[in-house]
Amino acid sequence: QLQLQQSGPQLVKPSETLSLTCTVSGDSITGNDDYWGWIRQPPGKGLEWIASIYYRGNSFYTPSLKSRVLITIDAARAQFYLNLTSVTAADTAIYYCARGGFWRGYYFDYWGQGALVTVSS
Amino acid sequence: QLTQSPSSLSASLGDSVTITCRASEDIGRSLAWYQQKPGKAPKLLMSSASTVQSGVPSRFSGGGSGTDFTLTISSLQPEDFATYHCQQVKSYPLSFGGGTKVEIK
Repeated sequence: QLQLQQSGPQLVKPSETLSLTCTVSGDSITGNDDYWGWIRQPPGKGLEWIASIYYRGNSFYTPSLKSRVLITIDAARAQFYLNLTSVTAADTAIYYCARGGFWRGYYFDYWGQGALVTVSS
Repeated sequence: QLTQSPSSLSASLGDSVTITCRASEDIGRSLAWYQQKPGKAPKLLMSSASTVQSGVPSRFSGGGSGTDFTLTISSLQPEDFATYHCQQVKSYPLSFGGGTKVEIK
């Protein structure tokens, strides 16, 4: 059974960089049809897709965050990462990592547990 | 852009409810639905507008194509009270609707 385990700080200061890690277990991170993504949800609000990456490094970003976001992957460690720079209070949200597809569809069928990241001094 | 309606609804056990998701452009049948309970990650219910995922009860059904889509829950059960999200899966950048909260009347 595929599992995604998130880790990272719960509190980040304004203007600093938010860094999160998602560790994949129970299946390979190098699946031919698997894209790995980050989605966030501000408290009490809807879901926002942030970015997705293939194990070979091909990546996609949401336009509104593209200038501040970097998604990377380390297949050997079975991990992928999110870096979000110059954070503000508006970046306070529950951050999820998830597995998406490519040819089978871009929907997310496995999700991490979610982590609330608060931006505050 | 995806617009869900209503943003919330109240219903009783055994009721049938329908949630609508409207896309700003033609996305064919490239739409997914998720269920999210408080404090939990979203759970995939449906892909390709109407393909129910394994383990999802048959009271959940999806329909539509192009720009207008529906998620119907027939005979609401206690475990169905949750927030439902649609997602366009036709192309990047991916996007979600604003969510519909289904509450107990």
